[in-house]
Amino acid sequence: GAVVSQHPSRVICKSGTSVKIECRSLDFQATTMFWYRQFPKQSLMLMATSNEGSKATYEQGVEKDKFLINHASLTLSTLTVTSAHPEDSSFYICSARDLGAQETQYFGPGTRLLVL
Amino acid sequence: GQQLNQSPQSMFIQEGEDVSMNCTSSSIFNTWLWYKQDPGEGPVLLIALYKAGELTSNGRLTAQFGITRKDSFLNISASIPSDVGIYFCAGAPSGGNKLVFGAGTILRVKS
Repeated sequence: GAVVSQHPSRVICKSGTSVKIECRSLDFQATTMFWYRQFPKQSLMLMATSNEGSKATYEQGVEKDKFLINHASLTLSTLTVTSAHPEDSSFYICSARDLGAQETQYFGPGTRLLVL
Repeated sequence: GQQLNQSPQSMFIQEGEDVSMNCTSSSIFNTWLWYKQDPGEGPVLLIALYKAGELTSNGRLTAQFGITRKDSFLNISASIPSDVGIYFCAGAPSGGNKLVFGAGTILRVKS
């Protein structure tokens, strides 16, 4: 149980294009999902908290117009990196919180984004 | 902001040895979580702790939620090569819904 999937697992795109990453909770409902970014050899950095049916809450320093988040259902949240630039290249990981599991977050396998 | 101090930063041990790592905080947490991350993958939940003093095992892994609610440790007994990876602690502060992460412990195992 508590499986979270992410798609795509890796993507290469040209500078200036937009990229959408999907995060799905496969066997549980998640009113809250989280989007993280991870740089090599570092811990996870929270970008935003995604709440089903409402606007996402962004962490300080994260541009909401750059990283668009949509949480349309209890099992799906999407992160769109708009007008991507090479500095947006990173490992993006989502997590979902099971309604019945207190504060426990289950992570997806991550998406490796490379912007050329 | 809240921070977790995770130690050691890295360990290089012989296969079969026991491993211990811990996290401490200056503030109280309601939940402690331990994750393992392999290269190029997302973190995988190992153990979740919800009550002060709680001691929980998952196979060769044992973790405890400190009685002061400001620390937690993870022990791995009889390490094997597949234990290699980065281990992260994470805590959920009182009244918050965001996790605070430690910097990670890199574990390498010599076989």
